[in-house]
Amino acid sequence: QVQLQESGPGLVKPSGTLSLNCDVSGGSISSENWWSWVRQPPGKGLEWIGEIYHGGSTNYNPSLKSRVTISVDKSKNQFSLKLTSVTAADTAVYHCARGGIRSVTGLDYWGQGTLVTVSS
Amino acid sequence: DIVMTQSPDSLAVSLGERATINCKSSQSVLYSSNNENYLAWYQQKPGQPPKLLIYWASTRESGVPDRFSGSGSGTDFTLTISSLQAEDVAVYYCQQYYSTPCNFGQGTKLEIK
Repeated sequence: QVQLQESGPGLVKPSGTLSLNCDVSGGSISSENWWSWVRQPPGKGLEWIGEIYHGGSTNYNPSLKSRVTISVDKSKNQFSLKLTSVTAADTAVYHCARGGIRSVTGLDYWGQGTLVTVSS
Repeated sequence: DIVMTQSPDSLAVSLGERATINCKSSQSVLYSSNNENYLAWYQQKPGQPPKLLIYWASTRESGVPDRFSGSGSGTDFTLTISSLQAEDVAVYYCQQYYSTPCNFGQGTKLEIK
């Protein structure tokens, strides 16, 4: 059973950088899968942030593209999200998930999510 | 970008009755190479991550009760709950994963009447 767990600071200052990791257990991040990040502002809907393939190819949401970097660390079996120049609008629960573009099942395994608040 | 639009935004259905949620994409999500629609449905309960219910528009994920079904092709899709149970109260989202950005619909809140 694949499990994903997000980790990182819960509070980031405006104009700072949000950095999160997603630890994958019960499966290898080197398997032929996309790995995605999705966020959800409090009380609102889901926003797709971007994805990375096990080989390192990435796709990002154009609305965030200039500020987002997704990377993978195969030695730690984890992938990461960096979002620069954050504002209050980036306050959200951030989820990592397995799956992505033209995968068979869409996003089939999700982390529980971690709330990141942008505030001084 | 493909824009996903769900209807209605909220829905109240009596226990045991049918619930129907619609999802429309601004472009086709049908992949001609395998004739599959890259459309998924998720259920989200408060404080929980989304749960995959349906993928490829009509394939039920393992363990999902058979009262949940998906249909449609191209740009128009439907999630049907044949007999609403109390535990089905949630917000439901569709998502296209045919092209990036893999956008979600705005969500449909399902409640008991």
